[in-house]
Amino acid sequence: EVQLVESGGGLVQPGGSLRLSCAASGLTFRSYWMHWVRQAPGKSLVWISRITTDGSGTGYADSVKGRFTISRDNAKNTLYLQMNSLRAEDTAVYYCALGLGYCSGGTCYLGYWGQGILVTVSS
Amino acid sequence: QSVLTQPPSVSAAPGQKVTISCSGSSSNIGNNHVSWYQHLPGTAPKLLIYENNKRPSGIPDRFSGSKSDTSATLGITGLQTGDEADYYCGTWDSSLSVWVFGGGTKLTVL
Repeated sequence: EVQLVESGGGLVQPGGSLRLSCAASGLTFRSYWMHWVRQAPGKSLVWISRITTDGSGTGYADSVKGRFTISRDNAKNTLYLQMNSLRAEDTAVYYCALGLGYCSGGTCYLGYWGQGILVTVSS
Repeated sequence: QSVLTQPPSVSAAPGQKVTISCSGSSSNIGNNHVSWYQHLPGTAPKLLIYENNKRPSGIPDRFSGSKSDTSATLGITGLQTGDEADYYCGTWDSSLSVWVFGGGTKLTVL
């Protein structure tokens, strides 16, 4: 059974930093792209970042570009999201998701999701 | 503002059918497969439909998907109160090289 478990969330002051982790099990982690998606209170799901299987390729939504960094450790089956210069509008539940299919071929989708972790940016 | 456009809400009575639309462009839906997700607040989103019309194991055939040009549709028949949730479409955007979601549609089963 595939399991994705996020950790590292919490309360942080504006301008601060936080690193989220997503531990994967039940799959060959190194074979899949991984994504981060967030949902602000009362708002929609918003995709924020993705990373290729070996970590050599990354992509970001404009809202987090230059502030957030996605990375992975395939030896530890773990995905990370380093969040710097945090703003109040980054307050959200953050989900990691497993990418299936092939985005370059137009067939990708988010097959498995974690339960989410809450990040609150407030003074 | 989401790249993909969905109606904010739909509603229907138990046992009835409902459809949820998702409109995009040639750089996303027009040239890539669409997937659909069911999300109950406080829980992990669940994949309902992938590659436009395929259902993962365990998803009942009451859920169906279709795509035409730059639009996609999720259909749910035999509505149950347990189907009340937010539904999102999603796909890859080839021009931006990013994943995009619709704004979500809240389904109410009256």
